[in-house]
Amino acid sequence: QQKVQQSPESLIVPEGGMASLNCTSSDRNVDYFWWYRQHSGKSPKMLMSIFSNGEKEEGRFTVHLNKASLHTSLHIRDSQPSDSALYLCAASRGNNRIFFGDGTQLVVKP
Amino acid sequence: DTTVKQNPRYKLARVGKPVNLICSQTMNHDTMYWYQKKPNQAPKLLLFYYDKILNREADTFEKFQSSRPNNSFCSLYIGSAGLEYSAMYLCASSRGGTNTEVFFGKGTRLTVV
Repeated sequence: QQKVQQSPESLIVPEGGMASLNCTSSDRNVDYFWWYRQHSGKSPKMLMSIFSNGEKEEGRFTVHLNKASLHTSLHIRDSQPSDSALYLCAASRGNNRIFFGDGTQLVVKP
Repeated sequence: DTTVKQNPRYKLARVGKPVNLICSQTMNHDTMYWYQKKPNQAPKLLLFYYDKILNREADTFEKFQSSRPNNSFCSLYIGSAGLEYSAMYLCASSRGGTNTEVFFGKGTRLTVV
C-alpha cells in the first residue's frame, strides 16, 4: 500500500534554522498533497495542503509541489523548538483514499 | 468542535479474542476512516465509510469489519485478534466531497497478548 515516500527519516536543526522535508508519490493518479504534524501524544493535525504546481506560503511554512515528478517539499524557516514533531506527508486521488508516508521526525535544538 | 473522539485510549486483548474500537465525531462529516499505525511506519488505511457505504482496502479486507449505525459513530471490529494487530488505531473524519481536510482522533493503542 506504500505509495508515499518521505525523506529524511529524521532531521535535527538548530533553533532559528531552516528545516526542509521531502515527499514523493509513486502513484501517478494522485492529485492532492497534504502535510500533517503530529506532536508526541497528540493526534495528527493538518498543516498545509497543495494541489497546484508551485509554491504556497503560510507564515514560516512554505510548501512546494512539482506535479510532473509528484514531489512536494515542506520548508520551515526560523524553526522553533515547538516545531519538533513528526511530519506526515499524505497524498490522495480524489476518491477519499488518503495514503500517508512514514513521516520525518523533526527535532529543533534550542 | 473539530474533535474526533476515540474510546478507549488503551486496550489490552488476548490472542484469539474479539476487539471492538469506537469512534465518534460531531462535525456531521460524511466520511470516517480507520488507520492502523505501527512504530516507524506510515498510518495504513484499513477502511473508510462514505456515508453508509463501506470501502475496505484489498490487503486488509478479511481482517477488519466496521459498522456505522449513524453519521456520528463508527466502530472497528477484529473478530480474532492476533499478535500482529498490536498497533495504534487512528480514527479520522472528513467533510463530504474529495480532497477535504481529514481530522484525526487521538487513537486507541491496542496491545494483543
